[in-house]
Amino acid sequence: KNQVEQSPQSLIILEGKNCTLQCNYTVSPFSNLRWYKQDTGRGPVSLTIMTFSENTKSNGRYTATLDADTKQSSLHITASQLSDSASYICVVTFYNAGNMLTFGGGTRLMVKP
Amino acid sequence: DGGITQSPKYLFRKEGQNVTLSCEQNLNHDAMYWYRQDPGQGLRLIYYSQIVNDFQKGDIAEGYSVSREKKESFPLTVTSAQKNPTAFYLCASSIRGKYGYTFGSGTRLTVV
Repeated sequence: KNQVEQSPQSLIILEGKNCTLQCNYTVSPFSNLRWYKQDTGRGPVSLTIMTFSENTKSNGRYTATLDADTKQSSLHITASQLSDSASYICVVTFYNAGNMLTFGGGTRLMVKP
Repeated sequence: DGGITQSPKYLFRKEGQNVTLSCEQNLNHDAMYWYRQDPGQGLRLIYYSQIVNDFQKGDIAEGYSVSREKKESFPLTVTSAQKNPTAFYLCASSIRGKYGYTFGSGTRLTVV
């Protein structure tokens, strides 16, 4: 069964600090891997999307990396801001799932002043 | 501006009632999806539709129904058969075979 697991489940950091969120998936090959940001009570918003041939993608202070050999991705947030407080969701599209999305459980990030 | 609109934002339902959640998109996307999100869990697929007048069950379709009479619209009905309907519901759309997924802002359904 295709699975996507994220760690940690929750994280608290101080404003201005960096942090890294992890995503492991169990099945390959996959079509693409995405990171979404979801504010409380809102829909997810896309941050990055990477194909299996890409190993890094940046979007402002967000940088996603992908290691297809170890089946791991990470999302690095630089110089965190209070507005970064949200859930971050890793999503994988697996070829054997008809291009449907498989979602991780998310990491809840809280940035404190 | 193009986008995907869900309504209402909050919905309260009495036990035994059916309720319908609205999802409309003006992105000219072929495919539309309904997901359910519970606290601490990943999104789970309820139903999806790749083209008008066609839809498929997702992983947790029991107690839900959908229709796709227009390309722009994909309403979800939560029936009285759904035993635990309290959740956050997200609608999404995409172009078939393409990467981009756009999510709506969600509807929070509470059974009272």
